[in-house]
Amino acid sequence: DAKTTQPPSMDCAEGRAANLPCNHSTISGNEYVYWYRQIHSQGPQYIIHGLKNNETNEMASLIITEDRKSSTLILPHATLRDTAVYYCIVRVGAWETSGSRLTFGEGTQLTVNP
Amino acid sequence: KAGVTQTPRYLIKTRGQQVTLSCSPISGHRSVSWYQQTPGQGLQFLFEYFSETQRNKGNFPGRFSGRQFSNSRSEMNVSTLELGDSALYLCASRSSYNSPLHFGNGTRLTVT
Repeated sequence: DAKTTQPPSMDCAEGRAANLPCNHSTISGNEYVYWYRQIHSQGPQYIIHGLKNNETNEMASLIITEDRKSSTLILPHATLRDTAVYYCIVRVGAWETSGSRLTFGEGTQLTVNP
Repeated sequence: KAGVTQTPRYLIKTRGQQVTLSCSPISGHRSVSWYQQTPGQGLQFLFEYFSETQRNKGNFPGRFSGRQFSNSRSEMNVSTLELGDSALYLCASRSSYNSPLHFGNGTRLTVT
């Protein structure tokens, strides 16, 4: 699985958009970008994933650059409850091939301030 | 739809004892995997079960074992507990080969 690089920490004002970057310059053509977050003492929560097109769901939007070497997770209106560690993971989408083995890096600690 | 359920939420054991943790996946999910999370090592993959068969295994000693039942529920067992086994144990499930993993809130195991 490709390595990812994320800033260790970010701050965001409540109600504003939070834009979390992720670099994955060695991504392969069959690798997806997944985002998870983990609030203290809870399990990781799946947010969104994508291959090459931008994706949006009820939680967030995922913007992937055309060369797929970086992506941005956007929380459109951050709330205090969005304070968490956010993990960007790159891996093949075919879980049957590589199984459920998932590797989290250090992630980005997002702090939403009132 | 209910999420992944793990019991118990907290557990305190003594060195040398054994422990069994339980996981109920999301309804319809047939794959269950287990992870250990510690501040020093981060998230580490233990093993994965699919249709009652172990499909993948991480680099953990044989003291760590698991099983999956016909209803997809899974248990993880750790024998001869060591202090270093203190961790958050997470269970995750997925529905199909191209679906994301969904995690439970874990069991916090403390070994004294």
